[in-house]
Amino acid sequence: EIVMTQSPATLSVSPGERATLSCRASQSVSSKLAWYQQKPGQAPRLLIYGASTRATGIPARFSGSGSGTEFTLTISSLQSEDFAVYYCQQYNNWLAWTFGQGTKVEIK
Amino acid sequence: QVQLQESGPGLVKPSETLSLTCTVSGGSIRNYYWSWIRQPPGKGLEWIGYLYYSGSTNYNPSLKSRVTISGDTSKNQFYLKLSSVTAADTAVYYCARTEYDILTGYYSDLWGQGTVVTVSS
Repeated sequence: EIVMTQSPATLSVSPGERATLSCRASQSVSSKLAWYQQKPGQAPRLLIYGASTRATGIPARFSGSGSGTEFTLTISSLQSEDFAVYYCQQYNNWLAWTFGQGTKVEIK
Repeated sequence: QVQLQESGPGLVKPSETLSLTCTVSGGSIRNYYWSWIRQPPGKGLEWIGYLYYSGSTNYNPSLKSRVTISGDTSKNQFYLKLSSVTAADTAVYYCARTEYDILTGYYSDLWGQGTVVTVSS
């Protein structure tokens, strides 16, 4: 199984600041990686797929980068609605699609 | 627009089989992959498996011996069965539409709201 490790577990950021979230795979997943945002009591929402392609309707302040084993989700200027938990998921290993444990972005 | 809705019993007894239905409205289940994902209370997401509309499936190896995902194109529904449940299977269960693109791979772009399933006697 490919293990996805996200860091940090919690990120404290002030509104308007930049947030950088990391996701590391235990082995290469090429660019087969997606990022999801989840708010309390809600289903996850797709933000990024293919490591860097924004999903439909996702604001340009969200960007994804990386390939192989190292990936980054950047939120350029945090808005109040961006405080949530973010998950990465790899889709490279068709035997098992694994999620990271999540990064909580909280208000500083 | 396409919407997904999970349904099924909210309480299942230990050792019994959990059965959930995902109803797809506003679109067809044809030509897509359809996934089940779960989230235990206060924890992260766990992928359970997927069904391609034609009938092929793929399951999380850790659950494979207990999971069956199937679908009915005539009803625009797909299903999850998880046998021999224990308290560890207590979670919010989500169904999701999963797309495949030859360049970017798979991604789950539409999710149901989730349904809470508690395993308890």
